[in-house]
Amino acid sequence: DAGVTQSPTHLIKTRGQHVTLRCSPISGHKSVSWYQQVLGQGPQFIFQYYEKEERGRGNFPDRFSARQFPNYSSELNVNALLLGDSALYLCASRSIGLLYEQYFGPGTRLTVT
Amino acid sequence: DAKTTQPTSMDCAEGRAANLPCNHSTISGNEYVYWYRQIHSQGPQYIIHGLKNNETNEMASLIITEDRKSSTLILPHATLRDTAVYYCIVVSQGGKLIFGQGTELSVKP
Repeated sequence: DAGVTQSPTHLIKTRGQHVTLRCSPISGHKSVSWYQQVLGQGPQFIFQYYEKEERGRGNFPDRFSARQFPNYSSELNVNALLLGDSALYLCASRSIGLLYEQYFGPGTRLTVT
Repeated sequence: DAKTTQPTSMDCAEGRAANLPCNHSTISGNEYVYWYRQIHSQGPQYIIHGLKNNETNEMASLIITEDRKSSTLILPHATLRDTAVYYCIVVSQGGKLIFGQGTELSVKP
């Protein structure tokens, strides 16, 4: 079975631009979460979606938004990019029947210049 | 959210057991302890989890103290490929993972 996939792998944007990151969960997984990992730190929780509804949100500004589609894939959108948004963005999916065991994708490396 | 405390770094000789400690003194009765690891530039990988009892799987063993205020992840025969950052996480309500700084484990030949 394919694991969690994310696209693109790498991305370079300039300050003020908008970015959309995409995630496809493992087949059968209905929950998707997004994390931001700044260099040298652990991942920070951004959003959790289950059955297309937001079920949790971390301490991130409104410039960050996300959505989940009927096929359970997800998009993370970031508006008005800042230099500090440069990070590895990780998507994780889980099967509700497996408590909180989450499977992470390889991430999207975003660089804001 | 219950916080965890881990040593910043540890070394282990290849073939020996790696014992990674974690303190979680504010853990609630219904919160699980999860361990993940992250090999450089990859997404975190689930290792093991537990509530009260010790747990073992093909990757590792998890020892949780009786008062649940601390735990130890044991890699029985560490290999060079086990070099990674290991995160001990107490799962908060709703299932979001709150990562700390983790322990950087270096397995040396």
